Amino acid sequence: DVKVTQSSRYLVKRTGEKVFLECVQDMDHENMFWYRQDPGLGLRLIYFSYDVKMKEKGDIPEGYSVSREKKERFSLILESASTNQTSMYLCASSYGQRGARGYTFGSGTRLTVV
Amino acid sequence: DAKTTQPNSMESNEEEPVHLPCNHSTISGTDYIHWYRQLPSQGPEYVIHGLTSNVNNRMASLAIAEDRKSSTLILHRATLRDAAVYYCILRDASTTDSWGKLQFGAGTQVVVTP
Repeated sequence: DVKVTQSSRYLVKRTGEKVFLECVQDMDHENMFWYRQDPGLGLRLIYFSYDVKMKEKGDIPEGYSVSREKKERFSLILESASTNQTSMYLCASSYGQRGARGYTFGSGTRLTVV
Repeated sequence: DAKTTQPNSMESNEEEPVHLPCNHSTISGTDYIHWYRQLPSQGPEYVIHGLTSNVNNRMASLAIAEDRKSSTLILHRATLRDAAVYYCILRDASTTDSWGKLQFGAGTQVVVTP
């Protein structure tokens, strides 16, 4: 089975800290995605990448950046963490460019910014 | 993007079938119908997808109306482990512009009673 692994399950950071959330997939998928999930707002797309070193903004990219130096790894960076970035962060990957393929999600990282 | 409409919640008894409806009256001819579910404290999990014909897999069945304006996810024998939020999502397979982005709605909370 395809596996998407997120480096931390729970994370607590201080306001202003630089935060790195790491995601690794093991099935050579081209596409990788970062979502955040908040009660009442559902899942919202932050950034995605369809190839190494490529990135595209999602619906809510402000306050975030990403890095994809290797195909299997997609990192989400909070340059200066703020309390409104407290959320569940979900990484996903998929194969191919068309809408027919399913996504595989990681288990999520619950980030608390204090 | 074409949108979907799902009931907020549904309740079922254990070992009985569950029929989860989804309306997508503005679906286009190239939209795939995808279903995901999210168990508590987990990332979403791919369940099934289809285009025009009914589909079956080990997890569920997908029944698609002839006019494709609605579909139904069928869990044949609900178990307590099927208690989750179920998302019905349309994905456009005709273009690479979206790179297969998934747009999640609120989903249907399924409650399974012993």
